[in-house]
Amino acid sequence: QQQVKQSPQSLIVQKGGISIINCAYENTAFDYFPWYQQFPGKGPALLIAIRPDVSEKKEGRFTISFNKSAKQFSLHIMDSQPGDSATYFCAASPGGVRYNFNKFYFGSGTKLNVKP
Amino acid sequence: NAGVTQTPKFQVLKTGQSMTLQCAQDMNHNSMYWYRQDPGMGLRLIYYSASEGTTDKGEVPNGYNVSRLNKREFSLRLESAAPSQTSVYFCASSARMAEQFFGPGTRLTVL
Repeated sequence: QQQVKQSPQSLIVQKGGISIINCAYENTAFDYFPWYQQFPGKGPALLIAIRPDVSEKKEGRFTISFNKSAKQFSLHIMDSQPGDSATYFCAASPGGVRYNFNKFYFGSGTKLNVKP
Repeated sequence: NAGVTQTPKFQVLKTGQSMTLQCAQDMNHNSMYWYRQDPGMGLRLIYYSASEGTTDKGEVPNGYNVSRLNKREFSLRLESAAPSQTSVYFCASSARMAEQFFGPGTRLTVL
């Protein structure tokens, strides 16, 4: 059973639009929620991450919204650009602050295509 | 500073053959991980090593073994490859309480 559920599986957005990807989890021990971006033929790379003590984190055009009570978090990409076309993975970890390592559980991924 | 490196980049095996995937990191990270990536399944953890000298099973360890050779190197071995092990394999490393850095991946096909 997948510990982190991600939707949608694929997303097509026009240039300049907003891309929204959602994730949900059940394990209340999770306390670190990163988003990874992966381009074809490359390994995933950290895009932005949030801890549950804040409800929102923004870095440039990328924003994570976090709803602790609903156990949901989402990635918003504002003013989406063709260069943002990639696969995005959410993840969750119970080891963010208390442990010596981060055991990540990944969502199934969302393939984003931003049309010019 | 190369980050996380993996060899080989591509490999084709016949069912029953064995092989070892190599991974090395030069960031002085304590923890290292092996994942497999399959369409629609995301990244699934095969094995991890929280620190030098320790290894533990992840979500999908069957059919694999690992060796944490030293702090830099973490290898993944397939003793008797099966078509179900056709996948893209990623190695990653992390420092304490920090993000995981991924290598470029090994694309493995088992015929």
